[in-house]
Amino acid sequence: EAGVVQSPRYKIIEKKQPVAFWCNPISGHNTLYWYRQNLGQGPELLIRYENEEAVDDSQLPKDRFSAERLKGVDSTLKIQPAELGDSAVYLCASRPGLATADTQYFGPGTRLTVL
Amino acid sequence: AQKITQTQPGMFVQEKEAVTLDCTYDTSDQSYGLFWYKQPSSGEMIFLIYQGSYDEQNATEGRYSLNFQKARKSANLVISASQLGDSAMYFCAMREGRGYSTLTFGKGTMLLVSP
Repeated sequence: EAGVVQSPRYKIIEKKQPVAFWCNPISGHNTLYWYRQNLGQGPELLIRYENEEAVDDSQLPKDRFSAERLKGVDSTLKIQPAELGDSAVYLCASRPGLATADTQYFGPGTRLTVL
Repeated sequence: AQKITQTQPGMFVQEKEAVTLDCTYDTSDQSYGLFWYKQPSSGEMIFLIYQGSYDEQNATEGRYSLNFQKARKSANLVISASQLGDSAMYFCAMREGRGYSTLTFGKGTMLLVSP
């Protein structure tokens, strides 16, 4: 079974430029998460989707960040315009429906560097 | 207050020795889940082990075991017979309540295994 796929793996942009990250969750996983991981920290949630509905976006900086999950499968996270402080690893995770262990499975992440 | 506290920024262990990584948590929920993830230098978060708050037995997965002390609110990870490939960052995380709640992560512990 394929894991969570993310692209690109690395992205270097100048500040004020837009950037987009793509995530394909594990097949059949209804719940999708985007996390941001700053250097030396644990991941922090940006947004959570149940199918195509964003059910928790309270930590998403909505002035510059946007996300979508069309048809409840793939998801895209966008930053426009990027700022220096957005440099981080952006992790996508997915989770099946109700399961005893409710484990989230993570992708390899996209490492963003804003110059 | 920190919901997940990992007090060891770094740990050293010799190959084949056992090591314990500490994690304490803070929640007022009766139902919660505790997770440990491994993050090698490649960046992917790899699920290791899960403990539910109502589980009476400590969780075990191969060389990994979770020393769950509910009254002390601690969920320490024990790695037996360390291997060089165990060198990585280790994150403790908690899911509060039931259902599709997000994970709150600690700041992590860097484990280095020496030959």
